[in-house]
Amino acid sequence: DTAVSQTPKYLVTQMGNDKSIKCEQNLGHDTMYWYKQDSKKFLKIMFSYNNKELIINETVPNRFSPKSPDKAHLNLHINSLELGDSAVYFCASSPGQSSYNEQFFGPGTRLTVL
Amino acid sequence: ELKVEQNPLFLSMQEGKNYTIYCNYSTTSDRLYWYRQDPGKSLESLFVLLSNGAVKQEGRLMASLDTKARLSTLHITAAVHDLSATYFCAVVAGNKLVFGAGTILRVKS
Repeated sequence: DTAVSQTPKYLVTQMGNDKSIKCEQNLGHDTMYWYKQDSKKFLKIMFSYNNKELIINETVPNRFSPKSPDKAHLNLHINSLELGDSAVYFCASSPGQSSYNEQFFGPGTRLTVL
Repeated sequence: ELKVEQNPLFLSMQEGKNYTIYCNYSTTSDRLYWYRQDPGKSLESLFVLLSNGAVKQEGRLMASLDTKARLSTLHITAAVHDLSATYFCAVVAGNKLVFGAGTILRVKS
């Protein structure tokens, strides 16, 4: 199946821990994104990479660090997890270089910090 | 900074009725998306509206864009239960996609 996939789907962890979420797309897209959806369903861009280069870096704590080993993968590492990090994190991808093109979303990773 | 406002935020409607969801945005943009999200699921693209006056229809949903008024509408005709979901509009601003808060639609039998 051509798609955007994320692992894990659910992640439950203690405050202070470090965790990673992985994203892969096999759509051949050049740009990948991380979004955070909070408990009120509000969806906000965090990061965007185009061909392994960071192009969007919103006001996100330094504890969040994206990494793109190649244009098909964009991982999100979170250090020193806090309660407020609990949310659903969506990865997305789009062709071309910008958000001008339609974005395709992954299934989401529900992160719960206890 | 671009602001995107949707209203209503919650909509409970009877099957068979018509209703419209509104999406207003604060700065110029010529591309707008509508997405659907089912509970616990990902976002599914419904429509992309590319220019002023654009109208797209799929089944019981019709979306339109007025770039001069900075307004998009998503019209639901003769609602059915399967349309129950959260609907987001999203507006392109520079190199970002800015989402509205979403409209939770519940269609009652």
